[in-house]
Amino acid sequence: KQEVTQIPAALSVPEGENLVLNCSFTDSAIYNLQWFRQDPGKGLTSLLLIQSSQREQTSGRLNASLDKSSGRSTLYIAASQPGDSATYLCAVKRGSTLGRLYFGRGTQLTVWP
Amino acid sequence: DAGVIQSPRHEVTEMGQEVTLRCKPISGHDYLFWYRQTMMRGLELLIYFNNNVPIDDSGMPEDRFSAKMPNASFSTLKIQPSEPRDSAVYFCASSRTSGGAYEQYFGPGTRLTVT
Repeated sequence: KQEVTQIPAALSVPEGENLVLNCSFTDSAIYNLQWFRQDPGKGLTSLLLIQSSQREQTSGRLNASLDKSSGRSTLYIAASQPGDSATYLCAVKRGSTLGRLYFGRGTQLTVWP
Repeated sequence: DAGVIQSPRHEVTEMGQEVTLRCKPISGHDYLFWYRQTMMRGLELLIYFNNNVPIDDSGMPEDRFSAKMPNASFSTLKIQPSEPRDSAVYFCASSRTSGGAYEQYFGPGTRLTVT
């Protein structure tokens, strides 16, 4: 069974800092990995999706990397802003045509002015 | 596109009552997922469908829960009878096979409170 772990569980930083969120998974036979953002009381918003053949994806100030062999992914947020405050979840899809994702518990990020 | 649509957004009911949650996936998506989120257990997959057919319902907690997808644009999750421990936020998500990405898009969720 795939286990997904996110460290740290919570992070509080001042505005402007560059930060890294970590995600690890136990089974390296993944199809892709997806990073989501969840604001309080809201649904999940997809941020980045990395296919198993890719090493990284970038969107604006966000950069996600994937090291499948070591079972790790990182989400790098550059020049953090208070608006980045949210919970960030990573999820992996098994290496098959089956559709389910395996989610981590998330990292709760607070960026203070 | 309007995204994944869920209704109702909030539901408060008494223990023992039947609850029906509704979901309209994004047009053209062939996968539909039902999740439950609680503080204690995080995000749990309950069941998912491919082309309206249930593929994996191993996450459905017990027989009180049932899900249907009568057509490509509508799905329901029913709890009968409801219990206080069913209180949670229930999310519906959809994705499509074409392009191979399988990126999942979530609805806003239904917050269920069972008293």
